[in-house]
This record gives sequence, structure tokens and C-alpha cells, in this order.
Amino acid sequence: TQLLEQSPQFLSIQEGENLTVYCNSSSVFSSLQWYRQEPGEGPVLLVTVVTGGEVKKLKRLTFQFGDARKDSSLHITAAQPGDTGLYLCAGARSGGSNYKLTFGKGTLLTVNP
Amino acid sequence: NAGVTQTPKFQVLKTGQSMTLQCAQDMNHEYMSWYRQDPGMGLRLIHYSVGAGITDQGEVPNGYNVSRSTTEDFPLRLLSAAPSQTSVYFCASSSPQAGVRNEQFFGPGTRLTVL
Repeated sequence: TQLLEQSPQFLSIQEGENLTVYCNSSSVFSSLQWYRQEPGEGPVLLVTVVTGGEVKKLKRLTFQFGDARKDSSLHITAAQPGDTGLYLCAGARSGGSNYKLTFGKGTLLTVNP
Repeated sequence: NAGVTQTPKFQVLKTGQSMTLQCAQDMNHEYMSWYRQDPGMGLRLIHYSVGAGITDQGEVPNGYNVSRSTTEDFPLRLLSAAPSQTSVYFCASSSPQAGVRNEQFFGPGTRLTVL
């Protein structure tokens, strides 16, 4: 059972377009993280959202945590080729002494010049 | 700081061979984890540790062993490699002080092929 569903799985757009990636679950998470991964490298954390309804902005990237803390979205404005990569969401739930992460399968974004 | 380092970068094994994937971090993080990444499957947790001498199983632990003798190192051992273990392996660390955030710092990965 995949706890975190990401959509779309693949996205290919032209430079300058806007896009939104979704991360959905039927489970409640204590926090939700977004990572970006480039080919041949490990994922790098972009942002963590903790509070239901929270919105965070990182330059052209806007992250939102759903009110019920079950879903999140990532919106990119005026995408650039440098935004190309695999975007992963990860939800944290309490697991005893630490918070265990569950990762979505990822959205592979290609921004064409 | 080097962050999280992993060796080797690439490895080819024959079925039945054993090997150890090395992972080290210099951020004094108590939490360390091993993930595998397969096409279309995302990242799946193999084993994790909340401190030296303490390890526990993740989602896909079968065929892998771990130990944590120091805060810095968290090696992953494959006792008898199988083709199903062909994957990219990532080590990650985090600090308990991050609490609910549990933000992970990943290494560059080891690409393993089992023939």
C-alpha cells in the first residue's frame, strides 16, 4: 500500500510555464517534506511544512500543506531548465523514539529550453 | 563538513557474493538510515538507527544486516547478494533535535548491480 501518492508521475513542459505537483494521502502526517533529486545524486531537502494550511515560498516555488495535514502541493512559477529533476514528497509520522518517513514515488520534471 | 559520504559509488556483484556498503557522516547526527531506490518505487527504508548500538528494521529489511558501533558510521551488509537487490542505495542522517521535521541529509548513493 502506497501511503503517499504523487501526481503526475512525469511532467514535461517548456521554459516559462507554470506547474503544480501533488502529494496525497489518506493518512495524517506530523510534517511533510519536499526533496529534489538530480541524476546520480542523493535527494536534497527543499522545504518542510508542519502546520495544516501552511504555505511556504522558496523563490519561484510555493509549497502548501493541506488543512487536514493529509496532502501537499508544490507549485513552480515560470519554470526554468534548472528546475529539471525528480521531486519527492515525504511524510513524517510518529514511530516511537523518532519520526519515520514515508516517501512518494516521485514526479520527474523536465523543463525544456 | 563533508556531510554524508558513501563508498563505493558503483559496484557489480555476482549472485551469492557478500559485500558491505559504507556510510559515514560528520554532522554528529544520532539518526541514520538506509534506503533503496528502484524505478517507479520511490525510496524505501531498509534499516535505521537512532543511536550507537541501536538499530531497527524498516520496510524492506530482508537480505540486509546493519550495525552501529559509532555515531559516525552505519555500514550496510549484503550477506548473499541476489539480483533483486540491484538498486541504488542511499544513506541518510538526521538529528533528533529536528523533532517532527526529521529532515534527512542524504549521501550521493551507491549503484549496485547483482548479476
